[in-house]
Amino acid sequence: AQSVTQLGSHVSVSEGALVLLRCNYSSSVPPYLFWYVQYPNQGLQLLLKYTTGATLVKGINGFEAEFKKSETSFHLTKPSAHMSDAAEYFCAVSNNQGGKLIFGQGTELSVKP
Amino acid sequence: DTEVTQTPKHLVMGMTNKKSLKCEQHMGHRAMYWYKQKAKKPPELMFVYSYEKLSINESVPSRFSPECPNSSLLNLHLHALQPEDSALYLCASSQDYPQTYEQYFGPGTRLTVT
Repeated sequence: AQSVTQLGSHVSVSEGALVLLRCNYSSSVPPYLFWYVQYPNQGLQLLLKYTTGATLVKGINGFEAEFKKSETSFHLTKPSAHMSDAAEYFCAVSNNQGGKLIFGQGTELSVKP
Repeated sequence: DTEVTQTPKHLVMGMTNKKSLKCEQHMGHRAMYWYKQKAKKPPELMFVYSYEKLSINESVPSRFSPECPNSSLLNLHLHALQPEDSALYLCASSQDYPQTYEQYFGPGTRLTVT
């Protein structure tokens, strides 16, 4: 069985500060990992994904994430937060044996001026 | 074009009404999904269609009835819903299923059951 844990249901940063959203996964097979962002009253938008290959993955809007197998982590980072980054962020896991996405509980990111 | 469209954006219905949600994608994807999302929660998978056939039904009550008329369209027929069914209903599509590909989500339909 696979599972995802997002540490911190709410993260608050100042504009220009580093954004770090934590995601740990559990998987008995090599995982596929995703980060999605959801702005208020909208659907989910794919930020980035890891399947195989390079462990540092770059996504849209300046976000990146690093797959660390030894730590079973896939944390999302952005060097400098913008007000427009305020949203709900979901980490999700799947694998190459089945297409169901298992979502974490989400982290709400607030950005202070 | 990575767009999934959903109509309507908002829907208010009584418990005795029958209504339908519609989803459309033109990316040539062969898998389509329905999710239900409550406030401040992750999406919950309801149904998966692969090549226009129902692949997964996550034990969803029969008052929700999915339909996939063709590879670009996905409907969700609603009948005799309960107030607890009020939620954001998201449609998604992916290149294939069950092989894992990223899913593209629509903007959702905000459903309120009165």
